[in-house]
Formats: sequence, C-alpha cells, structure tokens
Amino acid sequence: GQQLNQSPQSMFIQEGEDVSMNCTSSSIFNTWLWYKQDPGEGPVLLIALYKAGELTSNGRLTAQFGITRKDSFLNISASIPSDVGIYFCAGRRETSGSRLTFGEGTQLTVNP
Amino acid sequence: DAMVIQNPRYQVTQFGKPVTLSCSQTLNHNVMYWYQQKSSQAPKLLFHYYDKDFNNEADTPDNFQSRRPNTSFCFLDIRSPGLGDAAMYLCATSRGTNEQFFGPGTRLTVL
Repeated sequence: GQQLNQSPQSMFIQEGEDVSMNCTSSSIFNTWLWYKQDPGEGPVLLIALYKAGELTSNGRLTAQFGITRKDSFLNISASIPSDVGIYFCAGRRETSGSRLTFGEGTQLTVNP
Repeated sequence: DAMVIQNPRYQVTQFGKPVTLSCSQTLNHNVMYWYQQKSSQAPKLLFHYYDKDFNNEADTPDNFQSRRPNTSFCFLDIRSPGLGDAAMYLCATSRGTNEQFFGPGTRLTVL
C-alpha cells in the first residue's frame, strides 16, 4: 500500500537538544497524526493535525501539517531521557475511509 | 478514565492451537481496529469494524478472524497460529474517521 517516508530512521542525541523528524508522501493526506511508542506498549497519540498549514503544540512537542498536504514534521524541544522511544507518523487519505498509513518510525535515543 | 483495554497483555500458545485475544473500550467509539506489529516495525492493519460492518484487509491471512459482539468489545481469533504469527497485537478505536487510540497491546508467543 501507499507508504509514508519517515526520516530519520534513528537519532542519538544529548539531553537538552532539540529534535526534528518528518514524514513525506507523494499522496495528499487529510489528517496527520504523531504517535510515540514505548517498548512493550501501544502507541500513544501525541498530536493530531487536520488542516493544511496547521501548527499545533503539546508541551515541548510541536507538529505541523504541510501546506501541500503531503508532509508533516514533529519537533521536540529540550529533550529529556523519557523522550526515548519510537515515534510514528500516520496519515489518513480521503479515499481510505478511517484507515491510517503509517511511517516506518523514528527510534529516538537520548543520552543523559 | 476512558480507555482501550487489552487482555491478556502476554499470551503464550502452541503451534496450531487456537487463541483468542480480547479488546474492550470505554470510549464509546464506533470503529475498532486490530493491528499486527512485529519488532520495531509500523503497525499493520488486519481488519476493522466500522459500526457493525466488518472490513478485512486484502492481505490478511484467512487464519485471522474477528468478532464484535457489541460496541465495547472486539475479539481477534487466530485459528491455527504459526511461528510467524508471533507478534504484538494492537487494538485501536476511533470515532468515525477521527484519530485512533490504541490499547497497550497483547504480546503473542507461539511455541
């Protein structure tokens, strides 16, 4: 099926640094979602975006819905050790009903 | 708190022995999903119920079945588990096409 290209695949950073990850596609999406998954747990919704150009924050997290509707980014400011995990983007297309297309994930490691 | 609950969190079964995984939700969402996730990969949708309508993904093996007896509960039945079916199974819910909320998952081991 249609894939989302998520990058980077992994990141190793120092505590306190800012982080940026993004997802791109050749298709248009109506919804962008960002999830964080800890080992052995289910993904937890961080931010939901519904409108092109929308910029939304959730604490130290900021995400944007690209103006072309084909991309989205997630920024994490002043990273802390508990930010460690896998971050997934997910998009919903107009023609896919309620189905989501997931990116391949970004594994984030934060060194204290 | 409203949530998605999955039981058990860990399930061990034998090769070929049928197993059922359970999901319940207190969100009163009308859509429920089952995903399979293998190590560090993205979740892969198996099927979903939109209200009472069952929607199977084209590449979901026949070995996987699902039941939704009421709004709150949904079950995943694996009729004859193979070694390749060992994975994390995630249940999710949504209100229509709005954002999906995931349960904590059930880790299935096949011996």
